[in-house]
Amino acid sequence: QVQLVESGGGLVQPGGSLRLSCAASGFTFSDYYMSWIRQAPGKGLEWVSYISSTSSSIQYADSVKGRFASSRDNAKNSLYLQMNSLRAEDTAVYYCARDGRYSSSWYSYWGQGALVTVSS
Amino acid sequence: EIVMTQSPATLSVSPGERATLSCRASQSVSSNLAWYQQKPGQAPRLLIYGASIRATGIPARFSGSGSGTEFTLTISSLQSEDFAVYYCQQYNNWYTFGQGTKLEIK
Repeated sequence: QVQLVESGGGLVQPGGSLRLSCAASGFTFSDYYMSWIRQAPGKGLEWVSYISSTSSSIQYADSVKGRFASSRDNAKNSLYLQMNSLRAEDTAVYYCARDGRYSSSWYSYWGQGALVTVSS
Repeated sequence: EIVMTQSPATLSVSPGERATLSCRASQSVSSNLAWYQQKPGQAPRLLIYGASIRATGIPARFSGSGSGTEFTLTISSLQSEDFAVYYCQQYNNWYTFGQGTKLEIK
């Protein structure tokens, strides 16, 4: 069955960096776009970034553009989110989700989430 | 950016009754709309995609309708496990989520 498992969350000071990972299994990872979505405590869902199956297309929400970078390693069935210059407002649970097979799409599968807390 | 607006913010309904949740897009998203259910401490769960297609394993009491800018999620006879927060999401032009509707027990 499809599984997505995030790791790498934790407490970081403002201005610091953190790298999230998402390990995928149960499907042909290299066929699918992947996305990161976050949810601040007690708030709604916010799309953060998507990356196409071959990494040829990567897009970011304006709120993280220039600070976050998505990447993937299809040989390792893994997705990554490098987060730099972190701010208090980046505090959230970060989910990886499986996107469409050939284009942006709905999210059929989600990971359990990784909590990132930005605080001094 | 396409703005998604859900109404109401909170909906109080008794078990066994029907619930109707609304989602409006600031511009047409065609039928590129999904609905998710989220319970406390859990990841969202896909219910509906393509505005009206039930995801695998989703009970028939959940139905979606609409196209363009106006969408509806209907739960025909509420079960105890249906009380949760529901989000709509457009994927026609990047991705945007609505702010959510909390469905609570009346």
